[in-house]
Amino acid sequence: DADVTQTPRNRITKTGKRIMLECSQTKGHDRMYWYRQDPGLGLRLIYYSFDVKDINKGEISDGYSVSRQAQAKFSLSLESAIPNQTALYFCATSDFGTSATDTQYFGPGTRLTVL
Amino acid sequence: GNSVTQMEGPVTLSEEAFLTINCTYTATGYPSLFWYVQYPGEGLQLLLKATKADDKGSNKGFEATYRKETTSFHLEKGSVQVSDSAVYFCALGGSNYKLTFGKGTLLTVNP
Repeated sequence: DADVTQTPRNRITKTGKRIMLECSQTKGHDRMYWYRQDPGLGLRLIYYSFDVKDINKGEISDGYSVSRQAQAKFSLSLESAIPNQTALYFCATSDFGTSATDTQYFGPGTRLTVL
Repeated sequence: GNSVTQMEGPVTLSEEAFLTINCTYTATGYPSLFWYVQYPGEGLQLLLKATKADDKGSNKGFEATYRKETTSFHLEKGSVQVSDSAVYFCALGGSNYKLTFGKGTLLTVNP
């Protein structure tokens, strides 16, 4: 089974709808991240969480919110989706306090289309 | 702030050709450097990393050396295979453990 899972894998929605993307991990990592990937722009950080009580904005947090329900779960919400939020979204995790603290492990991605 | 600049693609090579994908960075402090690979339809996975100057990361025949004097971390492979076709991302890990990614380079290897 995959260590980092994302649901749904694909989603098509309409402008103005509220959407939630979910991420779960079995790696036991404290840190979790949400990125979006757009062609030619690489990955950009939306939000990150270093533990259940710690949530931080990334470089492009406007229009998004997150919830860290447990160590293993980190959800991304689009309160009112707009077409320029059409992108591939990735969740990632990293460990804390080990030599691999800065290595991130990615889920398979969610392809979101906003019409 | 931190930034990563990598060679724009796409790069198209024949099987067994030599590969270089250039990556340079700007950063404060002493970052870790990474190459991630994204195969079609999949998420990113770590290819190799280096945590200090002059370190060489290697994996699956790929290598990259952390060059502080030239602020570079170029990815190389001596003989590419069709299965190496993917998007390659250079990334920098700063003191706050966030990653800064380059824009990615699409590599296509033809038989």
